[in-house]
Amino acid sequence: GAGVSQTPSNKVTEKGKYVELRCDPISGHTALYWYRQSLGQGPEFLIYFQGTGAADDSGLPNDRFFAVRPEGSVSTLKIQRTERGDSAVYLCASSLGTSGGNEQFFGPGTRLTVL
Amino acid sequence: AQSVTQLGSHVSVSEGALVLLRCNYSSSVPPYLFWYVQYPNQGLQLLLKYTTGATLVKGINGFEAEFKKSETSFHLTKPSAHMSDAAEYFCAVIRRDTGRRALTFGSGTRLQVQP
Repeated sequence: GAGVSQTPSNKVTEKGKYVELRCDPISGHTALYWYRQSLGQGPEFLIYFQGTGAADDSGLPNDRFFAVRPEGSVSTLKIQRTERGDSAVYLCASSLGTSGGNEQFFGPGTRLTVL
Repeated sequence: AQSVTQLGSHVSVSEGALVLLRCNYSSSVPPYLFWYVQYPNQGLQLLLKYTTGATLVKGINGFEAEFKKSETSFHLTKPSAHMSDAAEYFCAVIRRDTGRRALTFGSGTRLQVQP
């Protein structure tokens, strides 16, 4: 079956611009996660949705970052006034239910480059 | 605070040799434990996980890991390395005592397999 998909695969933007990154989770997965992976590091948590609501947004670095999941499936991560430090691979994952032991299935990521 | 530590950012083994990648966690309550693999330009794939029960966990591609509470460890092993095992490996945890569902990743270990 189809896995987690993310679009675009690559995004190059200029400092100060606004960007949107999209995630399509596996059908039926109620939980959706966003992570950010900088070069040479492990992924870092940004935000977690259970259904339509953000259950945990403690990883968002500042108020330039925002994410939505209006219908409980597709999610969009929005970054305002991008900075060079925002350059990273943004990973999306989804899982069935909310048990901590549930596997999180990852998408291929969106590589964001801020010039 | 870092709750998962991977010793060795780079590990090199010969084809056919034992693979040992180290992971230690720091929470007082043993967390859910995961190993993910990341091939170049691909998303993260779950190798195996420990949630409860048997402490020796078998995963895909011949990998296994053993949860040792006394050592707060969850080291990943494979008896005989194959060239196709060359990748980045991440240990990750979800704490059981906070209710959070976000994965916390280690910094990763890059495995090289020499012919």
